[in-house]
Amino acid sequence: GAVVSQHPSRVICKSGTSVKIECRSLDFQATTMFWYRQFPKQSLMLMATSNEGSKATYEQGVEKDKFLINHASLTLSTLTVTSAHPEDSSFYICSARAGTINTDTQYFGPGTRLTVL
Amino acid sequence: AQSVTQPDIHITVSEGASLELRCNYSYGATPYLFWYVQSPGQGLQLLLKYFSGDTLVQGIKGFEAEFKRSQSSFNLRKPSVHWSDAAEYFCAVGVPYGGATNKLIFGTGTLLAVQP
Repeated sequence: GAVVSQHPSRVICKSGTSVKIECRSLDFQATTMFWYRQFPKQSLMLMATSNEGSKATYEQGVEKDKFLINHASLTLSTLTVTSAHPEDSSFYICSARAGTINTDTQYFGPGTRLTVL
Repeated sequence: AQSVTQPDIHITVSEGASLELRCNYSYGATPYLFWYVQSPGQGLQLLLKYFSGDTLVQGIKGFEAEFKRSQSSFNLRKPSVHWSDAAEYFCAVGVPYGGATNKLIFGTGTLLAVQP
């Protein structure tokens, strides 16, 4: 149980285009989902927290107009990187809090490798 | 401010040897503590967690960790390392973040290499 998927696993795009990444909780309802960014050989940095049906809460320094987050249902959250630039290239990982399984454990997706040319 | 420190950036052990990965945290209240493992190009897998109660917690894959409040530590241990344990290990502390949600603060990770 407690499986989180991400799609796509890898994406390459041209500078200036927008990219959407999906995060799904497959076998549980996730009232809260988190989006992280991981630079090579570094730790995960929280970008934003999204609750189903409400606006995302962004961490300081994260541009909300750049990284659009939508949490439309209890099993799906999307991160859209708008007008992507090479500096947005990174590994993006989502996690979901299992509200009914364990309120304090986050389960992580496998990540999405974004490369902006 | 809350923080997590993993002093060892890189550790190499021989297969079959014991392992201890260090983690120290800075947090004013009783922490929620986690250890995650990340294989190359993969997401994070939860190894174990501590919320309360017994300070020695058992996890998956033969790992255990001990919470020591006096030392603000939550070190991860395994008595006999297997080659498949080679990965990056992250310690994290969960801090309140509105309502019942916890935000995870991660350490910088320890990369484990296993020699045959």
